[in-house]
Amino acid sequence: EAGVAQSPRYKIIEKRQSVAFWCNPISGHATLYWYQQILGQGPKLLIQFQNNGVVDDSQLPKDRFSAERLKGVDSTLKIQPAKLEDSAVYLCASSSSFLEGTSYEQYFGPGTRLTVT
Amino acid sequence: GQQLNQSPQSMFIQEGEDVSMNCTSSSIFNTWLWYKQDPGEGPVLLIALYKAGELTSNGRLTAQFGITRKDSFLNISASIPSDVGIYFCAGQRYGNKLVFGAGTILRVKS
Repeated sequence: EAGVAQSPRYKIIEKRQSVAFWCNPISGHATLYWYQQILGQGPKLLIQFQNNGVVDDSQLPKDRFSAERLKGVDSTLKIQPAKLEDSAVYLCASSSSFLEGTSYEQYFGPGTRLTVT
Repeated sequence: GQQLNQSPQSMFIQEGEDVSMNCTSSSIFNTWLWYKQDPGEGPVLLIALYKAGELTSNGRLTAQFGITRKDSFLNISASIPSDVGIYFCAGQRYGNKLVFGAGTILRVKS
């Protein structure tokens, strides 16, 4: 079974520029997550999708970050404009489903390392 | 912010030694998970715990879900060089997002 795919693996941009990351979850996984991992910290959830709907985006800085999952499969996370503090690894994860009252294991992609100069 | 306290922050042990690390929280979780992250890669799930008191093994790894549902520990027996990496605990309430600890960096002397 193929894992979670992400691209690009690395990106260097200047502050105030825009950047986009792509994620393709494990086949059949309805739930997709984007995490931000700052150096020396654990991942922090930015947004969670169930199919093409947003379940939780409470920690997404909506003034500059946006994400979509139009067809309920792959997803794009965008930052516009980028700030220095956005330098981090952006991880995508997926799980098989999302139901109230249950927990499902999340599987992570390799991440995209973003450096903002 | 982070709600989980993971300790120790880092460990430097001799190959063959046993390793123990733990995670505590001020609030209850329904699921505890342990992940390992190698440099340049995403976290890989090692063990998932679903019931208070549950003890689960995966090869040389053993993890337990604390009775109070506010803590968990991970043991690695007879460590080997490939055990090097960062180990994260994560707590999850039903249907809610994972909350991660800050990680334990494991270094093994061969």
